[in-house]
Amino acid sequence: GQNIDQPTEMTATEGAIVQINCTYQTSGFNGLFWYQQHAGEAPTFLSYNVLDGLEEKGRFSSFLSRSKGYSYLLLKELQMKDSASYLCAVTPPGTNAGKSTFGDGTTLTVKP
Amino acid sequence: DGGITQSPKYLFRKEGQNVTLSCEQNLNHDAMYWYRQDPGQGLRLIYYSQIVNDFQKGDIAEGYSVSREKKESFPLTVTSAQKNPTAFYLCASSDYTGELFFGEGSRLTVL
Repeated sequence: GQNIDQPTEMTATEGAIVQINCTYQTSGFNGLFWYQQHAGEAPTFLSYNVLDGLEEKGRFSSFLSRSKGYSYLLLKELQMKDSASYLCAVTPPGTNAGKSTFGDGTTLTVKP
Repeated sequence: DGGITQSPKYLFRKEGQNVTLSCEQNLNHDAMYWYRQDPGQGLRLIYYSQIVNDFQKGDIAEGYSVSREKKESFPLTVTSAQKNPTAFYLCASSDYTGELFFGEGSRLTVL
């Protein structure tokens, strides 16, 4: 089975940096996704890690350590619009790549 | 524009009624999924389909049914057997990497 843990809530200040952690224990692993979900809306893709290391995309970066079952999402220069839920999702190997298992999400509140 | 279209956006159901949520995609993806989301929780997989005329149960399939008669369409029926159907339902399709492309969601409320 799959078990994914994320902090439930985080608060940060506009302009700051925040790191959202995700740990997972899975019976099979292909890759790890991060999605952003604003309240009442559908999730949207942020990042995808397959290999160990850091993937950078603008203000957002994501890190993966497969040996430790650990990932984090790093958000820099926080803006008010970054207030949202951030979902960590693990995908299995093989042809079921889209059959993701999701964590419960981390609700980030950005304050002025 | 390519994407996923879900309808209706809001739906109300009386006790004992079946309701069907529509999901259409024009991304030419083979795989499609239905997820359920309850407040403060992540997404849980209801059903998925990797090819036309074939689908598999996810983690919480009881009380739901699906069909996949066309590549573009993957409707979900919430039956009266689903005891707690009030939730936010998300349809998605995926490419070969597993990235999920979501519709806008359907919010179902039982009256």
